[in-house]
Amino acid sequence: GAGVSQSPRYKVAKRGQDVALRCDPISGHVSLFWYQQALGQGPEFLTYFQNEAQLDKSGLPSDRFFAERPEGSVSTLKIQRTQQEDSAVYLCASSLELGAMNTEAFFGQGTRLTVV
Amino acid sequence: DAKTTQPPSMDCAEGRAANLPCNHSTISGNEYVYWYRQIHSQGPQYIIHGLKNNETNEMASLIITEDRKSSTLILPHATLRDTAVYYCIVRVLNTGNQFYFGTGTSLTVIP
Repeated sequence: GAGVSQSPRYKVAKRGQDVALRCDPISGHVSLFWYQQALGQGPEFLTYFQNEAQLDKSGLPSDRFFAERPEGSVSTLKIQRTQQEDSAVYLCASSLELGAMNTEAFFGQGTRLTVV
Repeated sequence: DAKTTQPPSMDCAEGRAANLPCNHSTISGNEYVYWYRQIHSQGPQYIIHGLKNNETNEMASLIITEDRKSSTLILPHATLRDTAVYYCIVRVLNTGNQFYFGTGTSLTVIP
């Protein structure tokens, strides 16, 4: 596709429910990032993939958060037993890294998760 | 991680240049300065980046001081569509290469 696509755009979950958020990066992009953005705040890093390898998951707030990118393309962020503090916009970004620093990241429009 | 400091908000008259400052006094020699902006309800959008030389593209200019401890993003002729939150980011050099966003500067372009 032309850009990073995320689905669903909006998700309402009952507290305790599991959710799965999908990210389709730009074709051929090696790097994929997940960010969490609370209302009124800047995006906070969650995790990073280079192809299918999850190289950094230091930003995941708890073991209820899990991300995967099994074939090095589409990625899924899963949140188990959702809690109200998980309510946020979840942003996905991809970039054509190839080892170079001076590349830009392209962001999707995000998934707004509301836990009620 | 190199941190950035930006003013929380700024106003700019439509048609005038918007100058957005950023301090990054702990930046390392091989770290780049990136600018992104986020218009309401959208994902962040890349604007420009640089290492030590001034840069210009179709969207903006980036002026980096000689000691690299601060930079300024310049939107030469601000329009109402430039109203957004602008993030100054120093790219951390590690395997993650993630972007660390701060709280940014909320720019309001006034008609």
